[in-house]
Amino acid sequence: ETGVTQTPRHLVMGMTNKKSLKCEQHLGHNAMYWYKQSAKKPLELMFVYNFKEQTENNSVPSRFSPECPNSSHLFLHLHTLQPEDSALYLCASSQEESGGYEQYFGPGTRLTVT
Amino acid sequence: GQNIDQPTEMTATEGAIVQINCTYQTSGFNGLFWYQQHAGEAPTFLSYNVLDGLEEKGRFSSFLSRSKGYSYLLLKELQMKDSASYLCAVQDSNYQLIWGAGTKLIIKP
Repeated sequence: ETGVTQTPRHLVMGMTNKKSLKCEQHLGHNAMYWYKQSAKKPLELMFVYNFKEQTENNSVPSRFSPECPNSSHLFLHLHTLQPEDSALYLCASSQEESGGYEQYFGPGTRLTVT
Repeated sequence: GQNIDQPTEMTATEGAIVQINCTYQTSGFNGLFWYQQHAGEAPTFLSYNVLDGLEEKGRFSSFLSRSKGYSYLLLKELQMKDSASYLCAVQDSNYQLIWGAGTKLIIKP
């Protein structure tokens, strides 16, 4: 248990569906991250929020829409996804974005787009 | 571009020592991390190096040479539970983490 929770753990959705992934951290951290992890590929950073402000958006398609209502919660809204978006989506948090602060990861949401 | 290289897979024997290498080319350097990820689980933090040299933490040690763009993770007295993927990540000048694809370590009895 890392102090970062994610729901749901598994999600199967069609290409026309709309769904949301939820992440919550109980560590008092100020930075939160969304990553995509595909088999045999490096972790891909998608979005970063630092003190609730988005600081990174690594050319992520608009069908992924993040939301950070407060420093403890992070959402990833999904709509009209493609089969290639099937992957493990990991949420992480750290004390701050800068500096040598380690990131604590949630268990991930295994997403399958059919 | 930015690049992190590490071997795809390594095999070692229980009780032995294994060294996992990582080389990097990044825009700036603000530290190097090693994470462990068991199959189906989240990555967990192992070590952080920002200065040259060896950092020891129990059975695990991590080494950094900034001039060579090189790090290694040394695992001693290997146990079956050490079977996992080991991820190398470098924090660049913008404090963004650049990740390697991971090294899958297989431990045999």
